[in-house]
Amino acid sequence: AQTVTQSQPEMSVQEAETVTLSCTYDTSENNYYLFWYKQPPSRQMILVIRQEAYKQQNATENRFSVNFQKAAKSFSLKISDSQLGDTAMYFCALGDGGSNYKLTFGKGTLLTVNP
Amino acid sequence: KAGVTQTPRYLIKTRGQQVTLSCSPISGHRSVSWYQQTPGQGLQFLFEYFSETQRNKGNFPGRFSGRQFSNSRSEMNVSTLELGDSALYLCASSVRGGLPYGYTFGSGTRLTVV
Repeated sequence: AQTVTQSQPEMSVQEAETVTLSCTYDTSENNYYLFWYKQPPSRQMILVIRQEAYKQQNATENRFSVNFQKAAKSFSLKISDSQLGDTAMYFCALGDGGSNYKLTFGKGTLLTVNP
Repeated sequence: KAGVTQTPRYLIKTRGQQVTLSCSPISGHRSVSWYQQTPGQGLQFLFEYFSETQRNKGNFPGRFSGRQFSNSRSEMNVSTLELGDSALYLCASSVRGGLPYGYTFGSGTRLTVV
């Protein structure tokens, strides 16, 4: 069974600073994908960044980057130059490359960016 | 390009009733998935459809069912509603099945059972 663990229920950061959200996962698959989704109060889940497990290079999308440690099964999200609009719930998600066509989500981290 | 559209946004139902939620995926997306989000259990997978076929189903009772139409629109139905079914129901679409590009989610339907 796949599991995703986010150990930080809540975090806060000052505007313009950097914050890192943690995520660990477990899967028996060799081919899998990892995602970070953001859910603001509008409720819509927005894809922030994705990582393919077979790629060694850490993914980067503008101010968002990941630290993917495959052996440790760790997938943290770093947000640089935090902005007020980054305030949201952040979910780490795991999808295996097989045929079950589903994402397994962590419980989420509520990030608050303070002015 | 229109996003994933879920209707209605809010619903209030009474215990024992049934409810149908609708999801229109992004044009060209043939895979539609449904998730239930609650404060206690988080996001849980309900089912996934591709070209009108259910390819996977989560661990939910048979009261939860779904279907997909030839235009890729999907509906999910919950019969004999229980208080515990109160949740945000999210629909997500993708071209084939979400990987490797991830899913695009709608804004959800907030179901309250009283």
